[in-house]
Amino acid sequence: AQKVTQAQTEISVVEKEDVTLDCVYETRDTTYYLFWYKQPPSGELVFLIRRNSFDEQNEISGRYSWNFQKSTSSFNFTITASQVVDSAVYFCALSEGAQGGSEKLVFGKGMKLTVNP
Amino acid sequence: DARVTQTPRHKVTEMGQEVTMRCQPILGHNTVFWYRQTMMQGLELLAYFRNRAPLDDSGMPKDRFSAEMPDATLATLKIQPSEPRDSAVYFCASAKGSYNNQPQHFGDGTRLSIL
Repeated sequence: AQKVTQAQTEISVVEKEDVTLDCVYETRDTTYYLFWYKQPPSGELVFLIRRNSFDEQNEISGRYSWNFQKSTSSFNFTITASQVVDSAVYFCALSEGAQGGSEKLVFGKGMKLTVNP
Repeated sequence: DARVTQTPRHKVTEMGQEVTMRCQPILGHNTVFWYRQTMMQGLELLAYFRNRAPLDDSGMPKDRFSAEMPDATLATLKIQPSEPRDSAVYFCASAKGSYNNQPQHFGDGTRLSIL
């Protein structure tokens, strides 16, 4: 069965600190996709990134970077030089199959990040 | 930017009343999902449709919940009769159901309170 574990439930940092959000997943499929979504205080869910199981290249987008390691079934997310606007709940999610997101998502419990000025 | 539109944004009603939530998926997206978010359970899938046909509704309490897609531009989620434990945020998401497609895009949610 699919499972996504975000062991950290809440992290508080001071602005400009780097912070890493952990995500560990379980699946029996060889083809799957991993996602990160952000839920700011306003409540909407914002897509951040998608990776497929065949692409273990790390990715960087501005202050955000993602480290995908199949050997440890992890897909960690790092925010460099955090800002107050990064304060949100972050969800890691998994979908099995090859369709990249048009199959159901299984979400982790989320990790609340608070960035203090 | 194209968006998934959900109505109403907020709903407060008394136990036993019927509740209908609506979702307009992004034009061209043929897969529509309903998720529920609560503090205890987090985000969980209730049901999803492709090309208006239900693919999986195993997460939905069948006795009181029903989900339909009357046409390609409208998905509905109904609760009848509603109970206090149904209080949650209900999200609709849509995606294009094909290989190498775009990820799911979520609406802003309906915050439901059952008194």
